[in-house]
Amino acid sequence: AQRVTQPEKLLSVFKGAPVELKCNYSYSGSPELFWYVQYSRQRLQLLLRHISRESIKGFTADLNKGETSFHLKKPFAQEEDSAMYYCALITQGGSEKLVFGKGMKLTVNP
Amino acid sequence: KAGVTQTPRYLIKTRGQQVTLSCSPISGHRSVSWYQQTPGQGLQFLFEYFSETQRNKGNFPGRFSGRQFSNSRSEMNVSTLELGDSALYLCASSLSARGLVTDTQYFGPGTRLTVL
Repeated sequence: AQRVTQPEKLLSVFKGAPVELKCNYSYSGSPELFWYVQYSRQRLQLLLRHISRESIKGFTADLNKGETSFHLKKPFAQEEDSAMYYCALITQGGSEKLVFGKGMKLTVNP
Repeated sequence: KAGVTQTPRYLIKTRGQQVTLSCSPISGHRSVSWYQQTPGQGLQFLFEYFSETQRNKGNFPGRFSGRQFSNSRSEMNVSTLELGDSALYLCASSLSARGLVTDTQYFGPGTRLTVL
């Protein structure tokens, strides 16, 4: 069965420190992976998607099929990066649906 | 452009009742998806509607149903409410027919349902 695991619930770093938010997945097909973010008192929104190979707000994520991971990274964290981050994958082949991890709270301290 | 709107924002019901939640997508968006968010299970996909047809479905019992109208507005209904149905229900809309992989989903603020 498809599953997304975010092994850490909380991460606290200081401004300017590197950040890595871990995401592992279990999916038998070819995964399409996403990171969503929810800032305080704001709506859930798409941060980036694997298919676009893009960098948003300095964040990047690389799909490692061997390790079944899609970790989110940023070399220098900013205070405005403090938020809840959710990793998600889309199941394909018949019935598409988004499967989310349980989320991780990132706090960037001044 | 106005974002996704959901009504009501808060709702309190008792066990056994039924409830209907409403979602108005961004103008021009034709796909609406629904999600349940709870502390224990996190975000779980309920179903997706496109052009008034259910296109995809998650693993929820038949008590959870939905529909979409010709103006793309969508409603979600939960019958015979259980305590475990207490959750934040989010809807999201997206633009085109290409499916969830390439479409960007825009989320509403959610409806907080409490079942007593």
